[in-house]
Amino acid sequence: GALVYQYPRRTICKSGTSMRMECQAVGFQATSVAWYRQSPQKTFELIALSTVNSAIKYEQNFTQEKFPISHPNLSFSSMTVLNAYLEDRGLYLCGARDTSGNTLYFGEGSRLIVV
Amino acid sequence: QQQVRQSPQSLTVWEGETAILNCSYEDSTFNYFPWYQQFPGEGPALLISIRSVSDKKEDGRFTIFFNKREKKLSLHITDSQPGDSATYFCAALSANYGNEKITFGAGTKLTIKP
Repeated sequence: GALVYQYPRRTICKSGTSMRMECQAVGFQATSVAWYRQSPQKTFELIALSTVNSAIKYEQNFTQEKFPISHPNLSFSSMTVLNAYLEDRGLYLCGARDTSGNTLYFGEGSRLIVV
Repeated sequence: QQQVRQSPQSLTVWEGETAILNCSYEDSTFNYFPWYQQFPGEGPALLISIRSVSDKKEDGRFTIFFNKREKKLSLHITDSQPGDSATYFCAALSANYGNEKITFGAGTKLTIKP
């Protein structure tokens, strides 16, 4: 079956430092990867949508300078949170879309804690 | 502007009863509706989904009922079990965005009492 692995599951970083998270699709080809942040209130914010061989589309309030994303092939993507501060806390979710274009499979998430 | 609304915010039912989770939307271009189940500390897992051309989708104890005219759908969980206790998210995709952008509701926290 389709699986999406994310790591690390949890990171505690000092304010102003950076955190890199990785996303691996297993068992299917991920035509696109969407990075979300889930707030403590459980709401989802789309950060960016990445399609292999296409430009990465960032949503309003999120920039490449702050959340650089790498998506080199159909099974792997990574995102870094640069200069993390308290407002960057949350559960970062990688959602990989299969070739049907509809189904979005999520990883377990990478939780960022900033101290 | 909240495109996908879920109600109730939280729901408690007894084991064995049917839990009904509601979802409504505004954008008439939404054409695909996945439901996700999320346990504390984990990512959301795809539970069941329906396309707008259907009015019902069933998978075991989970059934989606879809009313396109009223822009409403509901998730029914029959014979609910304590292990079903989780937060359920209704989501929608729009053909206008090439089905790229998924819009989530705020979730319904379901508690099943044994």
